Amino acid sequence: GNSVTQMEGPVTLSEEAFLTINCTYTATGYPSLFWYVQYPGEGLQLLLKATKADDKGSNKGFEATYRKETTSFHLEKGSVQVSDSAVYFCALSDPLGTSYGKLTFGQGTILTVHP
Amino acid sequence: EAGVVQSPRYKIIEKKQPVAFWCNPISGHNTLYWYLQNLGQGPELLIRYENEEAVDDSQLPKDRFSAERLKGVDSTLKIQPAELGDSAVYLCASSLDGRETGRRYEQYFGPGTRLTVT
Repeated sequence: GNSVTQMEGPVTLSEEAFLTINCTYTATGYPSLFWYVQYPGEGLQLLLKATKADDKGSNKGFEATYRKETTSFHLEKGSVQVSDSAVYFCALSDPLGTSYGKLTFGQGTILTVHP
Repeated sequence: EAGVVQSPRYKIIEKKQPVAFWCNPISGHNTLYWYLQNLGQGPELLIRYENEEAVDDSQLPKDRFSAERLKGVDSTLKIQPAELGDSAVYLCASSLDGRETGRRYEQYFGPGTRLTVT
């Protein structure tokens, strides 16, 4: 079955530090890959996505590249801000079979950024 | 544009009591999802609707959970009777899917209902 594995957290950084949150996946077919962010007390928001190999998703200074050869979709940001403190979820959507349309999530990584 | 609306935001009940959650998706979104999110984990799909049809309910514990989306718009998820292990956040999401093209669009999530069973 499909699965997503994220690096274990929590991750604590100082403002303006470089961020990497690792994500690897297992899936049949060619999934679409997503990063969602969940701010305290709010629902999940789509941060970025990539739908095919070598695609780079980007938004709000965050980037992630779909690497089929390493089945990875690592999230990066060059300079984090305090406002980036949240929980980040990597997810995949398998376009095939009975799981069509279903998002499979990783366990989430808590990011805390200090001034 | 209004987002996905869920109510209540918080619910505390005693075990063996019934509980219901309501979700109103983004206007025009034909696909609706209910997810369960346990503490410290990612959401897991419970049920997916395309319009009023439940097309994937394989993860829904049917002995105590039920859901409906009678007119293909808003939806209700019910638990009866609730157990201690049901304490979690219940998330609703919606998307606009192209049935003809088979394209799946991004899922938009509501704020969730945090259920505590005592």
